[in-house]
Amino acid sequence: DTEVTQTPKHLVMGMTNKKSLKCEQHMGHRAMYWYKQKAKKPPELMFVYSYEKLSINESVPSRFSPECPNSSLLNLHLHALQPEDSALYLCASSQVWPTLAKNIQYFGAGTRLSVL
Amino acid sequence: GQQVMQIPQYQHVQEGEDFTTYCNSSTTLSNIQWYKQRPGGHPVFLIQLVKSGEVKKQKRLTFQFGEAKKNSSLHITATQTTDVGTYFCAWAAGNKLTFGGGTRVLVKP
Repeated sequence: DTEVTQTPKHLVMGMTNKKSLKCEQHMGHRAMYWYKQKAKKPPELMFVYSYEKLSINESVPSRFSPECPNSSLLNLHLHALQPEDSALYLCASSQVWPTLAKNIQYFGAGTRLSVL
Repeated sequence: GQQVMQIPQYQHVQEGEDFTTYCNSSTTLSNIQWYKQRPGGHPVFLIQLVKSGEVKKQKRLTFQFGEAKKNSSLHITATQTTDVGTYFCAWAAGNKLTFGGGTRVLVKP
């Protein structure tokens, strides 16, 4: 099973709402990632969790709050977002560096977020 | 900092023709990966190259890592409509993956 499952697929929220994005994998991967992708642009790394601990935060605004409850789950809590935060949010997982697989990442289908 | 540039940004290809997309780095890379993202889809891993001058083939796709490990190319022969999408090169430093800008491929039937 090489699947990363993300819910919801689509989300529309107002600027005062609080919502959460969810990601799940059962490949035994101990590194999980959040990316943001705007239209016609490459994915941009937001956060990396390694062994359920936050290891990289790419200077993401505090209105995005990640959480890794266990080795299979990754959440992204959203609060007071801005319209410019509208994008495709991708979750990915991989083995932890260094391994022979060297950070091959498996992506979920993403959550398409619209902030009104 | 490290910059990975992809050219061209867009590639319009007649079905059945060949094309090549290039990935160029300002510094030496320890590895290069290629991903494909179909329209409306998510990035899917294609290949990883780690050795200088390495060449790998997957059916009609040929991937190459330059001798100086500063550039890589993806060559597709006999393009099909299923090749439509954006091809990203990416390089990994530890658990951090950085993507090039991508080449968006459109196929004319």
